[in-house]
Amino acid sequence: DVKVTQSSRYLVKRTGEKVFLECVQDMDHENMFWYRQDPGLGLRLIYFSYDVKMKEKGDIPEGYSVSREKKERFSLILESASTNQTSMYLCASSLAGGHTEAFFGQGTRLTVV
Amino acid sequence: GENVEQHPSTLSVQEGDSAVIKCTYSDSASNYFPWYKQELGKRPQLIIDIRSNVGEKKDQRIAVTLNKTAKHFSLHITETQPEDSAVYFCAASISGNTPLVFGKGTRLSVIA
Repeated sequence: DVKVTQSSRYLVKRTGEKVFLECVQDMDHENMFWYRQDPGLGLRLIYFSYDVKMKEKGDIPEGYSVSREKKERFSLILESASTNQTSMYLCASSLAGGHTEAFFGQGTRLTVV
Repeated sequence: GENVEQHPSTLSVQEGDSAVIKCTYSDSASNYFPWYKQELGKRPQLIIDIRSNVGEKKDQRIAVTLNKTAKHFSLHITETQPEDSAVYFCAASISGNTPLVFGKGTRLSVIA
């Protein structure tokens, strides 16, 4: 059973704080993704990675960075949290090399106050 | 880049009726079209997908159709049940190592 685990289900942070969202997958997947989910806007891609130490910008990377030091772990970093980054964040992983299912984590609901 | 439009944004049907959700995409190079279901408070999960070399695919009460000429694809759910109530997302991608681009979602409510 594939598991994608996000470190926190709920987080409350203050404006200006540096925030780390962690994601770990246990299926040796090459690909990992960070999406942001907002009502009426669907799932928007922030960053993705196809290999260790590799990262690519998605559609809305501004204000975010990522780190992938190990294959199983993909971290999303909010350099200086702002209220407009209050959202649900979803991590996903998939196998490389073809059109394969993306497995999602349970999500982290981040509130920036 | 790819753009995926999804309609309707909300859909209410009576239990036992059929539901249809439609998506259009912009990039004719897209060749993979999955559908994800997200129940309230849960993670999105793949329910069915279709590749561009196939026009239709069925899995029990769920079917997906693809019209590459018109660049649209649809999800059909027959004999709807209350447990079908969820948000459904369509998506498209161009190649195996291109991230999925999602539609904005359809909230389906099945009324008993």
